[in-house]
Amino acid sequence: AQTVTQSQPEMSVQEAETVTLSCTYDTSENNYYLFWYKQPPSRQMILVIRQEAYKQQNATENRFSVNFQKAAKSFSLKISDSQLGDTAMYFCAFMNLWSGNQFYFGTGTSLTVIP
Amino acid sequence: DTAVSQTPKYLVTQMGNDKSIKCEQNLGHDTMYWYKQDSKKFLKIMFSYNNKELIINETVPNRFSPKSPDKAHLNLHINSLELGDSAVYFCASSQRRFEWGGAKDTQYFGPGTRLTVL
Repeated sequence: AQTVTQSQPEMSVQEAETVTLSCTYDTSENNYYLFWYKQPPSRQMILVIRQEAYKQQNATENRFSVNFQKAAKSFSLKISDSQLGDTAMYFCAFMNLWSGNQFYFGTGTSLTVIP
Repeated sequence: DTAVSQTPKYLVTQMGNDKSIKCEQNLGHDTMYWYKQDSKKFLKIMFSYNNKELIINETVPNRFSPKSPDKAHLNLHINSLELGDSAVYFCASSQRRFEWGGAKDTQYFGPGTRLTVL
């Protein structure tokens, strides 16, 4: 079974600073996807970024980037130039390509951006 | 245009009642899901349907019964509601077929339904 671990239940960052959220996962599979989702107070789950395991290059989406270390099974999210609107719960998720698109979520990290 | 919609957004009901939550996606996706998010924010999959066929059925009480009339809809019916059923329920959808380099596997979530059982 796949497990996803987010060891930081809560984090805070000053506006305009950079913050890194950590995520580790456990799998015996070689082909999989990893995702970061954001859940603001509105409760909506919003895709932030995705990474294919077969790609060595780290994914980047504007101020969001990941540090994907496949051998270490680590998938951290870096948010640069933090904005107040980044305040949310962030969930790391793992998907095994050959298991019916089933997602496994971590327990989330609550990020607060301080003005 | 809302990609994945759920109704209702809030549902407050008494123990023992039967209720349904509806989900619709207009993305043309093949696969739909139901997740439960508990009070600690943990998201756990409950069901997954692909083209109206059940493909994932996690350990969920029989009181929960998903129904997919067509591939754009996946409704969740809950019988004999219990206090422990209080949670936020999310519907999601994705394209089932895998394509290298494509984004079709990404799951898109509905806004959630907050169920409170009194």
